[in-house]
Amino acid sequence: RKEVEQDPGPFNVPEGATVAFNCTYSNSASQSFFWYRQDCRKEPKLLMSVYSSGNEDGRFTAQLNRASQYISLLIRDSKLSDSATYLCVLYNQGGKLIFGQGTELSVKP
Amino acid sequence: NAGVTQTPKFQVLKTGQSMTLQCAQDMNHEYMSWYRQDPGMGLRLIHYSVGAGITDQGEVPNGYNVSRSTTEDFPLRLLSAAPSQTSVYFCASSYGQGYTEAFFGQGTRLTVV
Repeated sequence: RKEVEQDPGPFNVPEGATVAFNCTYSNSASQSFFWYRQDCRKEPKLLMSVYSSGNEDGRFTAQLNRASQYISLLIRDSKLSDSATYLCVLYNQGGKLIFGQGTELSVKP
Repeated sequence: NAGVTQTPKFQVLKTGQSMTLQCAQDMNHEYMSWYRQDPGMGLRLIHYSVGAGITDQGEVPNGYNVSRSTTEDFPLRLLSAAPSQTSVYFCASSYGQGYTEAFFGQGTRLTVV
């Protein structure tokens, strides 16, 4: 089983839609969690960290459920500029940064 | 600020050739790592380093060597290139263990023919 698994994509949504991505992880000792964004095979960039209490940054909300071992990302009021691949990422005990395979989002006018 | 610098951006190799992908960071980060990205596979960890003089293997280390003689540099060596090593390679660095943002280089697009 992969250490991090994400929803299969692509997600095709109209502008203004709300879209949610889920990600599950297998190692309960995983220490910290992130969502990264990657545009057109460019380098990944941090979108937001994910905290147990849940956190919000504008239209983006991230949640962590340690008991069920999943994290989620909610994007409200989707913009064309949100079109990208979203990567679920965690640090494991050994300090390794582990990536999910990514979920592609395409926002259409 | 330069951040993480990778060279070259593009490279074509013949099977059996060797080469070194360069990675340098100017942020005094302890942690550096190399990933490869293939379609549908996400980023897979090749090798990583928690500090100068310390390296370890990731998920897909075969065919690659690394060294970390300085904090700033973390080169990745392909010993004998194979078509299966055609991929996009990313170098990343971060400060501290596990709770901080990782910064990536712009990537190296390698084709082995």
